[in-house]
Amino acid sequence: GDSVTQMEGPVTLSEEAFLTINCTYTATGYPSLFWYVQYPGEGLQLLLKATKADDKGSNKGFEATYRKETTSFHLEKGSVQVSDSAVYFCALRPQAGGKLIFGQGTELSVKP
Amino acid sequence: DVKVTQSSRYLVKRTGEKVFLECVQDMDHENMFWYRQDPGLGLRLIYFSYDVKMKEKGDIPEGYSVSREKKERFSLILESASTNQTSMYLCASSFMGGSGNTIYFGEGSWLTVV
Repeated sequence: GDSVTQMEGPVTLSEEAFLTINCTYTATGYPSLFWYVQYPGEGLQLLLKATKADDKGSNKGFEATYRKETTSFHLEKGSVQVSDSAVYFCALRPQAGGKLIFGQGTELSVKP
Repeated sequence: DVKVTQSSRYLVKRTGEKVFLECVQDMDHENMFWYRQDPGLGLRLIYFSYDVKMKEKGDIPEGYSVSREKKERFSLILESASTNQTSMYLCASSFMGGSGNTIYFGEGSWLTVV
């Protein structure tokens, strides 16, 4: 079945460091790919998405490119801030729609 | 902005009680979902609904039921709460259709069963 694998955390970075969180997926057909962010004590917020191969999603300085050849959707940010500290979830939605399938989440902690 | 509202943020219930978690969305979405989030287990789908009075089991439906009498409201019911149902519950909604439609989440309901 469809699945998502993302790098385990926690990830600890200093402010202004470069961030990469790896995400790979297994799916039939052409799913859409998403990154969600969860701040402490809150629900999930959509960070960015891509709906077809080679699409790049971007928001708030974060970027991810839908790579079908490597079945990946890695999240990157050039310079993280303390306020980026949160849990990040990679997810896919199958081509036919329906539920989201989530990775396990990666906790990011950014130190001043 | 899309709004998914969960009526209770924090609840404490006793074992054996019947528990209702309510969720309302204001975007006329056809699809609504209930997920459960637990440390180390991630997010798991309990039930989803693709239309009024329609429902489908997710990955972990045991011990839960749902109700969708109106399009904007989706209720999760714990018929007889147990301690292993202590968790964070997340409601979500989206338009029907292809994979590109974003699923929007509520703020979550923290349930403790004692």
